[in-house]
Amino acid sequence: AQSVTQLDSQVPVFEEAPVELRCNYSSSVSVYLFWYVQYPNQGLQLLLKYLSGSTLVESINGFEAEFNKSQTSFHLRKPSVHISDTAEYFCAVSPLYNQGGKLIFGQGTELSVKP
Amino acid sequence: GAGVSQSPSNKVTEKGKDVELRCDPISGHTALYWYRQRLGQGLEFLIYFQGNSAPDKSGLPSDRFSAERTGESVSTLTIQRTQQEDSAVYLCASSLEGAGGTQYFGPGTRLLVL
Repeated sequence: AQSVTQLDSQVPVFEEAPVELRCNYSSSVSVYLFWYVQYPNQGLQLLLKYLSGSTLVESINGFEAEFNKSQTSFHLRKPSVHISDTAEYFCAVSPLYNQGGKLIFGQGTELSVKP
Repeated sequence: GAGVSQSPSNKVTEKGKDVELRCDPISGHTALYWYRQRLGQGLEFLIYFQGNSAPDKSGLPSDRFSAERTGESVSTLTIQRTQQEDSAVYLCASSLEGAGGTQYFGPGTRLLVL
């Protein structure tokens, strides 16, 4: 079985400040890792994912996440946030084999960027 | 192109009634997933369809919940004898591939059981 823990339910930051949203997971099998984002009044959409290769993955809007196998973590970071980054962020894992790609989600972190 | 659509967007029902929720996936997507998001909680996996394979029903919380999919098109999630704890947003997602594939989510159906 897999589980995902997002350590912060709410993260308030000022515009242009750096931010880190923490995600730890537990799994007895290898997993793919994802961050999904839900902007206000919009549907859930993929932000970035780690499948294999380089452990550092980036999104098109400046977020990055690093897969750390020894610490079973996949923290999301951005060096300078914008008001438009205000959203709820969900970390998720998916077993590599035999489970069809179902996602196991954390409880979400609400990022609130203030001017 | 069109994304994943779900209907109805909102549904209010009385305890004990049956409800049916519909999902139209992106055309050509062979994988279809249902999730549930209860207030203040993360998304819970319910059921997964992949082509003509037997669905993975491991996430369905009780036998009151069932789902069907016709080929690689529309899916319906049915909740019989609804209970107040069934109140949640029900999300559907589709994908071109299974494990590792990007899932594209619909806007959800917000279900309220009175």
